[in-house]
Parts: sequence; structure tokens; C-alpha cells
Amino acid sequence: QQPVQSPQAVILREGEDAVINCSSSKALYSVHWYRQKHGEAPVFLMILLKGGEQKGHEKISASFNEKKQQSSLYLTASQLSYSGTYFCGTAQPDSNDYKLSFGAGTTVTVRA
Amino acid sequence: DAGVIQSPRHEVTEMGQEVTLRCKPISGHNSLFWYRQTMMRGLELLIYFNNNVPIDDSGMPEDRFSAKMPNASFSTLKIQPSEPRDSAVYFCASSPHTGVEGNTIYFGEGSWLTVV
Repeated sequence: QQPVQSPQAVILREGEDAVINCSSSKALYSVHWYRQKHGEAPVFLMILLKGGEQKGHEKISASFNEKKQQSSLYLTASQLSYSGTYFCGTAQPDSNDYKLSFGAGTTVTVRA
Repeated sequence: DAGVIQSPRHEVTEMGQEVTLRCKPISGHNSLFWYRQTMMRGLELLIYFNNNVPIDDSGMPEDRFSAKMPNASFSTLKIQPSEPRDSAVYFCASSPHTGVEGNTIYFGEGSWLTVV
């Protein structure tokens, strides 16, 4: 079951903030965030394993609400290098198979 | 450390031809995944292996697609015969499959396939 991401796209000016949401209809064991630049492979940003846990990567942070089966990615004081497509990948707790299902992605464009 | 290595990086082939994509996972990783990415469908999991054994191939679109993993350091994805709708970027990825972060997936650079 693919998670649902929103918004589909966002355009920012340097220094602005944005939030990307990822929600699942099933209980989650973990949420992974990746960023993909045009023509490149997705690159791992962070993994969240516990409800309410927050993590950070540069000025990018994320939270995971187990009860709501949701995760949010926060882009703070965005930089030009933050442009790309962000994917969330989710794994279910009852699966012993470690595969991730990915959302459709959120395209972030940061302009000077 | 070497990441996931894929070849070829780009392939243009004619409809009906056989296509073989190759992957070398990160050394020590026990799980290997083949994903396909298109604008319309995003990142789709085609098949994944654990300890060289196919665990879930439910994402393989049809019998024209097959994948093998003869040993821990090599996998192939084959399309025979290829069709224009198979044009996509095919990513191979691997995961350590151990510990609490065992299912973090590391992607290769992708194989860009165009079938004309």
C-alpha cells in the first residue's frame, strides 16, 4: 500500500520554510525520507522509527506520529540545494520482509 | 565505500530485443531490490531478494520480466521481449537487513532504458 504525499509540488524562495506530509492507511513500523535530484538516484535523508520521534539533516527535520500513521518533513530556511523531489518510504510493523513502499513524491523548487 | 553499481547506465534498444540490466549490491548487504521509476507511476518495487532468494515478485509487470540473483554480489533484471512501455529508469538498491535500521535502502545510479 503506497503512502500518500502532499503537496505534489511546492515552490519556495530561499530562506522560506515548507512542510511535506506523508500518510498511510496502515500502521507503520518506520518512515524513511529520500531526496532525488533530477537525473540522479534517490538519496537517503533519514529514518524515523518511533512515534513522535524527530530527526534532522542539515536544516531538514522530520516527525513521525505513529497513532496518526503520518510523518512530516520540515524544510527550514530553505537553500537552493534543497531543490529536488522528496519521497517518503514506509514499512509495516507486521512485515518481516523489509521492503519499502514509496509515495508519489513532492517536487520542491527553491528559487533565489 | 563503493555504493550499488548498475550497468548499463543508458540503453536504447528496439522493440522486441532482449534487455539485461545488471547490479552489484553493497558488500555485506543481504537484501536487494529492483525498482522502476516513471513519471506516471513513480517508484514501483518490481522484486526483491533476501540472501539471494526472491521474496516478493508481485510487482513484476508480466512474464516478459525476470530477475535472478545467482550470488550475493550480482543480480540481473531481464526483459524479453522489450516493448516501448518498458521505457523507464530501473534502479537497483540494497539494504543491510540487520538491526533497527536494517531496512534503509541505498540506491544505485539507475539504468535509463529507452525502447523504440
